[in-house]
Amino acid sequence: AQSVTQPDIHITVSEGASLELRCNYSYGATPYLFWYVQSPGQGLQLLLKYFSGDTLVQGIKGFEAEFKRSQSSFNLRKPSVHWSDAAEYFCAVGASNTNAGKSTFGDGTTLTVKP
Amino acid sequence: DTGVSQDPRHKITKRGQNVTFRCDPISEHNRLYWYRQTLGQGPEFLTYFQNEAQLEKSRLLSDRFSAERPKGSFSTLEIQRTEQGDSAMYLCASSLGWNTEAFFGQGTRLTVV
Repeated sequence: AQSVTQPDIHITVSEGASLELRCNYSYGATPYLFWYVQSPGQGLQLLLKYFSGDTLVQGIKGFEAEFKRSQSSFNLRKPSVHWSDAAEYFCAVGASNTNAGKSTFGDGTTLTVKP
Repeated sequence: DTGVSQDPRHKITKRGQNVTFRCDPISEHNRLYWYRQTLGQGPEFLTYFQNEAQLEKSRLLSDRFSAERPKGSFSTLEIQRTEQGDSAMYLCASSLGWNTEAFFGQGTRLTVV
């Protein structure tokens, strides 16, 4: 069975500082990987995805993530955080051999941005 | 493309009542998913449709829950005899095919009192 672990429940960074959110997954084959962002009371917006190819993927809002098969990780990064990035971030793994949209999500990391 | 639309956005109901939620997917998407999200947790998969066929149901989907997608377009999720434990955000998502990402709606927040 697939699973996702986001080790950090809550992270606080100062505006302008760099950010890295950790994600570890368990999946038997090459996974489809996603990062979503959710503002309070809202749905999920896709930031970026990895299906195959280049292991460093670029997303929207200046985010990027790197797939490391040897570490079963897919960490999200941003070089300079803006106050508007404060939200909850979810890493997810999709069933790459049958159904990418049926995803298993981590429990999320809440990002707080200090002025 | 107006995205995935869900209605209502919020629903407060008394325990024991039935509720129904609607989801309109992105128009050309043939796959539609329902997820449930409780406070402090990530979304959990409930069920999905390919066109009008319901192809998979999670064990989370008790017999009080039923989902339909009658013409392969919009979908409804009904909860009968609601319980306080049903209080959650119900998220709908859609995708173009088996190997593409899902796009989520804004969700329906259910509160059972």
